Amino acid sequence: EAGVTQSPTHLIKTRGQQATLRCSPISGHTSVYWYQQALGLGLQFLLWYDEGEERNRGNFPPRFSGRQFPNYSSELNVNALELEDSALYLCASADLRTDTQYFGPGTRLTVL
Amino acid sequence: KNEVEQSPQNLTAQEGEFITINCSYSVGISALHWLQQHPGGGIVSLFMLSSGKKKHGRLIATINIQEKHSSLHITASHPRDSAVYICAVYGSARQLTFGSGTQLTVLP
Repeated sequence: EAGVTQSPTHLIKTRGQQATLRCSPISGHTSVYWYQQALGLGLQFLLWYDEGEERNRGNFPPRFSGRQFPNYSSELNVNALELEDSALYLCASADLRTDTQYFGPGTRLTVL
Repeated sequence: KNEVEQSPQNLTAQEGEFITINCSYSVGISALHWLQQHPGGGIVSLFMLSSGKKKHGRLIATINIQEKHSSLHITASHPRDSAVYICAVYGSARQLTFGSGTQLTVLP
């Protein structure tokens, strides 16, 4: 069974640009979670999507947004990039019956 | 004060030693995750538990809901166990709150 996949692996942008990160969940999982792991700050919850709807978001500004597609894959968009957005962005998928989250390998975003 | 506190922050052990990592939390939770993160960032979910004890190979996780405390034990540690171990709790609306992690180094 294929795991959670994320693309791209690495992404380099400059301040003010927009970044789009993608996540494909495990087949059969309807929930996708996004997390940010900035250097020295640990993992922080960003967004949760289930069945195409945003269910919850963490304490991040509105320039962090996303969506979930009918096939349950998801996109995270970060607008007006700032230097402090440089981080590892992790996606996880879950089957809500078990709540266990399975993490993807992450996208490392560097903002110059 | 962080909602999820882990100790120790760093731990160095000799191969074969018994290892314990502790996690305390201050909020009501529905479940607790133990995660393992290797260099390069990949995260693996080791356990999810809401009561009692779970065992998988050389790993054992326990939780005491009344005391708001969980422990992760590694028996017969091996250098390949070297990683960051992260405790995370499920609060409201399925939001995970993470501890800051414990960097474990097992020396041969």
